Amino acid sequence: GAGVSQSPRYKVAKRGQDVALRCDPISGHVSLFWYQQALGQGPEFLTYFQNEAQLDKSGLPSDRFFAERPEGSVSTLKIQRTQQEDSAVYLCASSAMPPGAGEKLFFGSGTQLSVL
Amino acid sequence: GDSVTQMEGPVTLSEEAFLTINCTYTATGYPSLFWYVQYPGEGLQLLLKATKADDKGSNKGFEATYRKETTSFHLEKGSVQVSDSAVYFCALSEGFQKLVFGTGTRLLVSP
Repeated sequence: GAGVSQSPRYKVAKRGQDVALRCDPISGHVSLFWYQQALGQGPEFLTYFQNEAQLDKSGLPSDRFFAERPEGSVSTLKIQRTQQEDSAVYLCASSAMPPGAGEKLFFGSGTQLSVL
Repeated sequence: GDSVTQMEGPVTLSEEAFLTINCTYTATGYPSLFWYVQYPGEGLQLLLKATKADDKGSNKGFEATYRKETTSFHLEKGSVQVSDSAVYFCALSEGFQKLVFGTGTRLLVSP
């Protein structure tokens, strides 16, 4: 597709359920980021991939959060045993180059996760 | 750690009014600075950026100047339009693409 695609657009989970959020970056993009955006807040960094390598996962809030990008294209963010505080919009972004001097990031529309 | 502070919204203006959205930052090094915009129902889009002190970023009539002495990157537009209604995020990045965002400022422009 022409842009970064995320699915599902909305996800409702019961507390304790596991969820998986998918990101399809722009074809050929090397870098992929996940951000978490709580209501009324700015996005916060979760993790970064360069191709299939996860180079930075310092923003993942707990060991319940896990991300992968096994073939260097599609990425999945998995949240185990969801809690109410996990309710947020999860944003994926990609760029054509490895990190440099402000290489342009392209963001998806996000997955809105609501944990009841 | 690095942080970005921007003015709270909403900012409500009439069409053709002058816009300023304040943004200040705290960083240990020499960050690149960005403004992103989020239109209703759409993903974040890069509006403009500046990578070093005194640089001016500009796009679609918006502009912002990287002021190292005041650690600021205020967004301005001379004449806003209804179509500019959106949420605007100031952000910084230090040598790596991990962005640190402010909390966002909602702009509402009425005809």
